Parts: sequence; structure tokens; C-alpha cells
Amino acid sequence: EVQLQESGPGLVKPSQSLSLTCSVTGYSITSNYWGWIRKFPGNKMEWMGYISYSGSTSYNPSLKSRISITRDTSKNQFFLQLNSVTTEDTATYYCARYSHILWVSLFDYWGQGVMVTVSS
Amino acid sequence: DIQMTQTPSSMPASLGERVTISCRASQGISNYLNWYQQKPDGTIKPLIYYTSNLQSGVPSRFSGSGSGTDYSLTISSLEPEDFAMYYCQQYDSSPNTFGAGTKLELK
Repeated sequence: EVQLQESGPGLVKPSQSLSLTCSVTGYSITSNYWGWIRKFPGNKMEWMGYISYSGSTSYNPSLKSRISITRDTSKNQFFLQLNSVTTEDTATYYCARYSHILWVSLFDYWGQGVMVTVSS
Repeated sequence: DIQMTQTPSSMPASLGERVTISCRASQGISNYLNWYQQKPDGTIKPLIYYTSNLQSGVPSRFSGSGSGTDYSLTISSLEPEDFAMYYCQQYDSSPNTFGAGTKLELK
């Protein structure tokens, strides 16, 4: 069974970088696409970006200057780095597998989510 | 970006009731529309993909329909485990975007 688990600090200071890890078991990240989504207080959800099976990336233009998604295939992990955070980046961060088959694109497996608060 | 207007934002309902949640896109999205459920513990799972296809393991009381800009999720008879948050998501164009969510609450 495909399982994803986020990890990382729950508190980040403003202007610093937010770094999260998504550990995947039951499936290789050298197949398919792997994304980050966040849910803000108040329930809004935002797709942040993904990394593909080949290592190429795609980011939400609203974050493009601050975001980086990378991976370590030897550990079957992928990572999120968000720079210059503000209090508006306070959210629960989810990693998910983004499956693409023909005309279907779906976040079909999700991690449990990790709450990150940006505060001094 | 395509804006997804999801209604209602909250819905009190009773066990056994039939409910419908709607999503309207700011432009046509050619049926590229998924639905997700988020439980109170935070876990998220897909329910419906490509407008009307039931994800594996999802009960048949869930169904989806729509076309063009207007889409809906229907639960035919509410069970206790259905009281949760529901989100639509379009993937017709990048960035894919989500609706604001509907909280299904026990009346």
C-alpha cells in the first residue's frame, strides 16, 4: 500500500525557510508525480507544486520565486522548501501522489499532514 | 487561474438524508473535476475523479455529475462517517485549484 508521511518543524520564524520531508513507502517516487498541497486556517486549499518521476518540477506561479521541490530517490523521499515565509504561510502541509493516467489527474494518496506555524 | 466557487460552505443534514454539493468554475473545465473528503482527523481521500468516476473503495452512495462550468457531488443517504469537509478540484489548467470547501454537519 502506498503511504506518505510528512515531517519537519512545526514552528518557523518569519523571513526564514520552511523545510519539510515527505517519506514514501510502498511505491517508488521514480514513477508518477509527487506534490505538495497546503490547507490554510479557514479551510482554503492551495496546490503548491510537484516533482515528476524524472525530477522535473512544476510550481504554482503564486509561489514560484520562493518554492523548491527536490527529491532523494535513494531514500524514496521528496522535499519542500519555502523561503522567506510570513505569517500567511501558516497552514497544514500535505504531500500527495499525483497520478496521471490518460485524461485523469488525481491526488490519490495523501499524507496525514503537518501543521506549520510561522511566528516569532 | 480558474476560480472554483463551491456551495454551500456548510450544510446541516440528518442521517439518511440526500445531499448535493455544487462547484462552479469560472470557465469551462471539460469535466476535469475531482472531489475529495477530509475527515475531522485531517485525513484526505479522493472520492470522485473526472466528474463522475468513483474512486476504488468509495461507497456507491457517492456520485458526481456535471459538465461545462457546473459540477455536483451527491450523497444519496448520509451515513455517520460522511460528516466531513468536501472539496472540489479542477485540473483543466495549471495551476489546478480547489473550491473553498463544504462542511457537512450533523443537524
